[in-house]
Amino acid sequence: GDSVTQMEGPVTLSEEAFLTINCTYTATGYPSLFWYVQYPGEGLQLLLKATKADDKGSNKGFEATYRKETTSFHLEKGSVQVSDSAVYFCALKVGGAQKLVFGQGTRLTINP
Amino acid sequence: DGGITQSPKYLFRKEGQNVTLSCEQNLNHDAMYWYRQDPGQGLRLIYYSHIVNDFQKGDIAEGYSVSREKKESFPLTVTSAQKNPTAFYLCASSQTLAGGTDTQYFGPGTRLTVL
Repeated sequence: GDSVTQMEGPVTLSEEAFLTINCTYTATGYPSLFWYVQYPGEGLQLLLKATKADDKGSNKGFEATYRKETTSFHLEKGSVQVSDSAVYFCALKVGGAQKLVFGQGTRLTINP
Repeated sequence: DGGITQSPKYLFRKEGQNVTLSCEQNLNHDAMYWYRQDPGQGLRLIYYSHIVNDFQKGDIAEGYSVSREKKESFPLTVTSAQKNPTAFYLCASSQTLAGGTDTQYFGPGTRLTVL
């Protein structure tokens, strides 16, 4: 079945450090890929998405590139801020399917 | 403002009681979803609906029920049959179920605690 595997957390970085959160997937079809972010006590917000191979999604300084050859969608940011502290979820959706398949989430803490 | 609202934010329930969680959207989206989130885990789909008066079971529907009498509303009832109901419940909506690129937008969630 379809699945998403994320980098184990928690991840702790200093402000202005470079961030990578790894995400790989297994899908029976040709998925769309998403990164969602969840701030403490809140729902999920869409951070970025990519719908086909080699697409790059970007938002708020975060980027992720859809790599079909490595079945990956790693999240990166060049210089993190304290306000980026949150839980990040990688997810996929196969065309025609009725649900998002989520990874387990990666908790990120940025220290000043 | 367009968006998804869920109420209440926190809910406490005694064992053996049914409880209903509210979800309303004013985005004119066709599809609505309910997910459950447990600590350290991803989200799991409970129920979804693509049109008024129709809904389908997700991966973990046992002990839950839903209705879709209006396009903008998709309430979830957690029944006494749900063995471990304490969790964070998230409602989502999307424009259409057709294709794979329609994005799901989430509400702020309801945290249910069974005492």
